Amino acid sequence: AQSVTQLDSQVPVFEEAPVELRCNYSSSVSVYLFWYVQYPNQGLQLLLKYLSGSTLVKGINGFEAEFNKSQTSFHLRKPSVHISDTAEYFCAVKAAGNKLTFGGGTRVLVKP
Amino acid sequence: DSGVTQTPKHLITATGQRVTLRCSPRSGDLSVYWYQQSLDQGLQFLIQYYNGEERAKGNILERFSAQQFPDLHSELNLSSLELGDSALYFCASTELSNQGETQYFGPGTRLLVL
Repeated sequence: AQSVTQLDSQVPVFEEAPVELRCNYSSSVSVYLFWYVQYPNQGLQLLLKYLSGSTLVKGINGFEAEFNKSQTSFHLRKPSVHISDTAEYFCAVKAAGNKLTFGGGTRVLVKP
Repeated sequence: DSGVTQTPKHLITATGQRVTLRCSPRSGDLSVYWYQQSLDQGLQFLIQYYNGEERAKGNILERFSAQQFPDLHSELNLSSLELGDSALYFCASTELSNQGETQYFGPGTRLLVL
């Protein structure tokens, strides 16, 4: 069975500063990796995904993530955040079977 | 907009009652997944249907059941409701590509059991 750990439950950050959200996973087989964002009182929106190919993945809203197989990580980054990036971010892994396994989420609070 | 629709958006009911949540997948998607998001358990997979048949089961209680109809919409039935069933319930449908599968989520149904 796979598992996902998001190391930070909350990340406060100032507007226009960079942010990195950490995600580590465990799985004995190859995986697909995803980041979803949940804005307040809304559903889950796909930010980006790694299925195969280049390990650096670019997503929507200026986010990118890098798949590191040796470290079993898929950290999410944005070089300059906006107030509108305040949300909860979920890392998810899909391995054997079709279900997604989610991390516990990281709340990002962007301060002016 | 993901193309996945869910109704109702909000549902308030009492303990012991039964409710039905509805999900319509994106046009052409055959799979529907149901997830529960609660404060104490986080996001958890409940059940998956593919083209009308149950494909996988997760942490779904026996009081809960689901089905997928010929038009591919799905319903999640929650019965003998308890306070702890209060949560956000999401469904997702999948985009298939040569590289793999991506799940797109609906806006969710927020259930409050009083």
